[in-house]
Amino acid sequence: SQQGEEDPQALSIQEGENATMNCSYKTSINNLQWYRQNSGRGLVHLILIRSNEREKHSGRLRVTLDTSKKSSSLLITASRAADTASYFCATARGGDQAGTALIFGKGTTLSVSS
Amino acid sequence: GAVVSQHPSWVICKSGTSVKIECRSLDFQATTMFWYRQFPKQSLMLMATSNEGSKATYEQGVEKDKFLINHASLTLSTLTVTSAHPEDSSFYICSASTLRYGYTFGSGTRLTVV
Repeated sequence: SQQGEEDPQALSIQEGENATMNCSYKTSINNLQWYRQNSGRGLVHLILIRSNEREKHSGRLRVTLDTSKKSSSLLITASRAADTASYFCATARGGDQAGTALIFGKGTTLSVSS
Repeated sequence: GAVVSQHPSWVICKSGTSVKIECRSLDFQATTMFWYRQFPKQSLMLMATSNEGSKATYEQGVEKDKFLINHASLTLSTLTVTSAHPEDSSFYICSASTLRYGYTFGSGTRLTVV
C-alpha cells in the first residue's frame, strides 16, 4: 500500500530553475526520507528529516516537514540536467525500527533541460 | 557503510520458466530483507518481508506460491519468480534495514519475460 502521495507527478524545468516537489502521508511518522532514482536504476538516498525537525538542508536540497499537515516538500535549487530523475518520499510503516519496511510515495518525475 | 549486492542486474527469460534473484549483504548481517516491485513509471510497491530462518510475510495481493522468498542466512535472501509470465516483467529491488546504517537498497533487477 502507498503511504505517500507526491505532486506534481511530472515536472519539467530549465537548468538553473528551482524544482519543488511535495509529498503527503497518512500515518504518524518518526522521520521521512527522500530518494532519487535515475531511469531504470537503483535508489539513491538524498535526505532524512525527523519528525521534530521542520527544515533541513543538504547542498542544493532543502526539505521541509509539516507534521500537522502530514506533508513534506523537497526543493532542488539551481537545477542541473543531471538532476533529471524520479524523486520519491518514503516513510517507515509502523514506526522507525529495523525490520520495518519503507513505504514509498508515487513519485515525481523531474526533467531538467539545458 | 552497508552494501547490498543484487544479481542479476537484468534477465530475460521465456514464459513459463523460473528466475532467481539474489541479494547479499556484503559487510553486515541482514536479519530482515524487503522485496519491492516497480512497474514502468510507477513507484516501488512492497511485495514481501523476509526474515532469516522464518517464512516471509507477503503483502496483500502478492502470490506467495509465485514469488518464492528464501532467507536461509543472515547474508543472503533470494526471490524466485516461478512460472514467469509477461505480466511479471518488472524491476525488482531488495532492501535491508539496520539500526546502524538505516535502509540499504540493492541496485535492482530488470526482469523481462518473453
